[in-house]
Amino acid sequence: DIQMTQSPSSLSASVGDRVTITCRASQSIGSFLNWYQQKRGKAPKILIYAASSLQSGVPSRFSGSGSGTDFTLTISSLQPEDFGTYYCQQSYSTPYTFGQGTKLEIK
Amino acid sequence: QVQLVQSGAEVKKPGASVKVSCKTSGYSFTSYYMHWVRQAPGQGLEWMGIINPIGGGTSYAQKFQGRVTMTSDTSTSTVYMELSSLRSEDTAVYYCAREIRVGKNWFDPWGQGTLVTVSS
Repeated sequence: DIQMTQSPSSLSASVGDRVTITCRASQSIGSFLNWYQQKRGKAPKILIYAASSLQSGVPSRFSGSGSGTDFTLTISSLQPEDFGTYYCQQSYSTPYTFGQGTKLEIK
Repeated sequence: QVQLVQSGAEVKKPGASVKVSCKTSGYSFTSYYMHWVRQAPGQGLEWMGIINPIGGGTSYAQKFQGRVTMTSDTSTSTVYMELSSLRSEDTAVYYCAREIRVGKNWFDPWGQGTLVTVSS
């Protein structure tokens, strides 16, 4: 199975900050990497697919980059509604494993 | 609009089975694979398996092999996930999620989740 490792596991940032979350795969997955946002008590929501493609309706302050084994989710200017937990997921091969999550808190 | 509506919360005793449904609408049911993902309280997301609604072909995570069965009913555009021999560690929210496959693949949307509690 492909292991996905996210860092940090949690972070606290202020409105307007630039925030970066990283995800590393245990083997090369090309650009088969997705990012989801989950709010407490809600289902995950797709933000970025195929490493860098912004899902329709998602604010442009979210962006993704990377390929192979190292990936990044960036929020260019943090907004109050961006709190929640962020997960990366590899969709290169089953089982489609997820990172352990990054809990983002707004200062 | 595309909707995945799951069945309600369940409370089961250890050793029992649970069957969760995911009724779909707003798209061609047979054109998209469906996945099941679970999330234990306070924990991350765990992929359980995939079903092809046409023909019912499945692939399960090794961890659940022998305990999980995923099925589909094309007449009602509904997929099901049954988990047997339940133990306390199976207490979790179970989600269905539609796979979009256009070269690359991702999950969108997800069902609202079904809480399954296993307790004696």
